[in-house]
Amino acid sequence: DTAVSQTPKYLVTQMGNDKSIKCEQNLGHDTMYWYKQDSKKFLKIMFSYNNKELIINETVPNRFSPKSPDKAHLNLHINSLELGDSAVYFCASSQDVGGWEGYTFGSGTRLTVV
Amino acid sequence: AQTVTQSQPEMSVQEAETVTLSCTYDTSESDYYLFWYKQPPSRQMILVIRQEAYKQQNATENRFSVNFQKAAKSFSLKISDSQLGDAAMYFCAYRSAISGNTGKLIFGQGTTLQVKP
Repeated sequence: DTAVSQTPKYLVTQMGNDKSIKCEQNLGHDTMYWYKQDSKKFLKIMFSYNNKELIINETVPNRFSPKSPDKAHLNLHINSLELGDSAVYFCASSQDVGGWEGYTFGSGTRLTVV
Repeated sequence: AQTVTQSQPEMSVQEAETVTLSCTYDTSESDYYLFWYKQPPSRQMILVIRQEAYKQQNATENRFSVNFQKAAKSFSLKISDSQLGDAAMYFCAYRSAISGNTGKLIFGQGTTLQVKP
């Protein structure tokens, strides 16, 4: 059983389209995250939810909107996709905000905007 | 704000040899956690080792160990008996342990490790 699963793994789409990436964790964790890994491999947090409550909302264009229907799911919707949105997007989860266990990551979604 | 710096973009090691990857961080907090993650070409992020700042003893996980120097704000990763499967990008990361924190992991820029047969 995959602990943190993201779908799709690859996404190729045209500029201007709207797309969603889904994430589910079966670990019983309270906290989930979205990270963006750019072309230089730098990882930067975008959003975090703790028990369905948004707790981190970094400086991200408002074309990006996270949604957490329950604490096991955190989806990312992107409107009006731009070339600069091309990146790998990682979902992750942790037991809670304060634990030392670190994160469990999904396998990432490579988004290519053409 | 906390920052994490990995000053070695690339490192190379001969199979069976030992290599050390460097990481420094900047924080005004006294309580935090430090991590090393491995990202092989499959792009999966894998936790290698972790350290609690209040523990003086350096963490060890099989062939992986750290040298944690709290005063110097340094957290290096030593890989002993390097194997071909260790070839990957390695990320150092910081997480606050202060009450009320958001749980955010702050990553360094990464170090690409090449293992030569």
